[in-house]
Amino acid sequence: IAGITQAPTSQILAAGRRMTLRCTQDMRHNAMYWYRQDLGLGLRLIHYSNTAGTTGKGEVPDGYSVSRANTDDFPLTLASAVPSQTSVYFCASSGGEGEQFFGPGTRLTVL
Amino acid sequence: GQNIDQPTEMTATEGAIVQINCTYQTSGFNGLFWYQQHAGEAPTFLSYNVLDGLEEKGRFSSFLSRSKGYSYLLLKELQMKDSASYLCAVMDSNYQLIWGAGTKLIIKP
Repeated sequence: IAGITQAPTSQILAAGRRMTLRCTQDMRHNAMYWYRQDLGLGLRLIHYSNTAGTTGKGEVPDGYSVSRANTDDFPLTLASAVPSQTSVYFCASSGGEGEQFFGPGTRLTVL
Repeated sequence: GQNIDQPTEMTATEGAIVQINCTYQTSGFNGLFWYQQHAGEAPTFLSYNVLDGLEEKGRFSSFLSRSKGYSYLLLKELQMKDSASYLCAVMDSNYQLIWGAGTKLIIKP
């Protein structure tokens, strides 16, 4: 693994289904983030984690949950997907300097 | 509230120079970032400014004026591969990045 990986690359999901987006980094960064990106809007922070074992809510946390059991993994779960959660989801990580490194993204469509 | 403003779209000619502006109003300031994002790809880091002035990195330069809440990204000797969206982001007092919606730059031959 080099950098940050996300899985799946894309997914079509029926409304009401549960879905977990996976994110793994191998840079030993303490901080990790989940964003969603919608056309015409900036990246919006869903949840973040400053270090393993801690998480925090971002700008748009409703309908999403995260966990940070270890440094490398930061999964994002949609408990019961709704069409408004159709978006591109980016995971990112950051070391001490503030620069964030992004994964390739997951394109999610909820029907 | 917190706000980052940048133009939605700009067009420039190959070989020319373009300046993309960003104005911000945030709760605190711990630096301003510029990222490049090609269509269908992830954002990648371009530059970071925390002090006033110009930071130059090859064909790209970034300027910051904290008193005016203003930054610009200057791209010189434009190439077709520079066609992308350019995202301005400010790190606030909580050390979270607040993102602008991005400026789509179209390069014409």
